[in-house]
Amino acid sequence: NAGVTQTPKFRILKIGQSMTLQCTQDMNHNYMYWYRQDPGMGLKLIYYSVGAGITDKGEVPNGYNVSRSTTEDFPLRLELAAPSQTSVYFCASSKGQGNTEAFFGQGTRLTVV
Amino acid sequence: GESVGLHLPTLSVQEGDNSIINCAYSNSASDYFIWYKQESGKGPQFIIDIRSNMDKRQGQRVTVLLNKTVKHLSLQIAATQPGDSAVYFCAENRGYGGATNKLIFGTGTLLAVQP
Repeated sequence: NAGVTQTPKFRILKIGQSMTLQCTQDMNHNYMYWYRQDPGMGLKLIYYSVGAGITDKGEVPNGYNVSRSTTEDFPLRLELAAPSQTSVYFCASSKGQGNTEAFFGQGTRLTVV
Repeated sequence: GESVGLHLPTLSVQEGDNSIINCAYSNSASDYFIWYKQESGKGPQFIIDIRSNMDKRQGQRVTVLLNKTVKHLSLQIAATQPGDSAVYFCAENRGYGGATNKLIFGTGTLLAVQP
């Protein structure tokens, strides 16, 4: 049971480039989340999804897009990378519906130069 | 605005002592409050949660206390071990009739266990 898998683990982008952070889970969880964590800081919710075809904005959605075409996958898209998007990105999933235990991936460390 | 925050950014304790990590929250509408542990270079791990209609919940070596009057949450770790060294986050779960689980995290506090 792999849990939540994120790819890539590390990436360096130039300003203005685009990329997609991949996230997949094999626990058949309905709820999925994307967070960013700046150095020495807490996690900020970017987007979340309560099921396939449904997404909603979190605390810091600007500059990002998501889609949820399947239960398993929840990719995060950066269209025009900016230095302010340098961060560690975590994907998570949970059963939802009152079950608060979220399972996190290992993170993607993104640097925009 | 709505926020979940911590009183102390760093807590240093001796191995074997009890640790208490505190958290203040400003929004009363959350249905659950949760504690997560994050070790260096890893994603957060769920420790324990407490429903908003409870005052106390115990787990293995951990106890969470919720004081809704002063909007305060705490995590108590008994007999702290070196493996407990990590950053601890409190989080709130914003559930709207069970239809939406929106996990909002606080800033975190570093627990350093001294041998």
